[in-house]
Amino acid sequence: GESVGLHLPTLSVQEGDNSIINCAYSNSASDYFIWYKQESGKGPQFIIDIRSNMDKRQGQRVTVLLNKTVKHLSLQIAATQPGDSAVYFCAENIAGTGFQKLVFGTGTRLLVSP
Amino acid sequence: EPEVTQTPSHQVTQMGQEVILRCVPISNHLYFYWYRQILGQKVEFLVSFYNNEISEKSEIFDDQFSVERPDGSNFTLKIRSTKLEDSAMYFCASDEALARDSLLFGPGTRLTVL
Repeated sequence: GESVGLHLPTLSVQEGDNSIINCAYSNSASDYFIWYKQESGKGPQFIIDIRSNMDKRQGQRVTVLLNKTVKHLSLQIAATQPGDSAVYFCAENIAGTGFQKLVFGTGTRLLVSP
Repeated sequence: EPEVTQTPSHQVTQMGQEVILRCVPISNHLYFYWYRQILGQKVEFLVSFYNNEISEKSEIFDDQFSVERPDGSNFTLKIRSTKLEDSAMYFCASDEALARDSLLFGPGTRLTVL
């Protein structure tokens, strides 16, 4: 069935390091992928997205890479800061209709030490 | 910055009781969603809503669930007869247009069914 999964449940880094969070997806038909950040007690917060016709997209301190051949998605955070500590989810849109029917991964907890 | 709001932040109910979770989406948004997250699990799609009708729903969204936009501002999720397994965080989200870059999520309502 459709699933989105994560390889690492917890990632611990030092402040200033670069962080890489990985995600595997299984639905070949998905054409839109998003990374969300979730802090304790809050809803998912959009970080960056990418469509399937791209393999890389950059934002402010964040980069998303998409490898459709192996169905792999990654989030790179440059110069990680303590405020980046949160749970990060990848999600794919399986709707195919434009509606945001998202399948989320299980989440990776990022811990940033000062 | 506009944001999605949800009330209450925490709802405790007895099994078998009806609950209504309320959301105020962003005012110019037209597409509305409910997602839920059971503690320690993935965020799961429940339903999408547009033009006063359901556009998509998941297997979770059975006959015990309903959604409504009773006026121009509120978007509600009703669970008619709650079960223990309905205990979760329920997130409302809204979007301005189809295939936009991101959903905006609310902070969630924690539902506890005893």
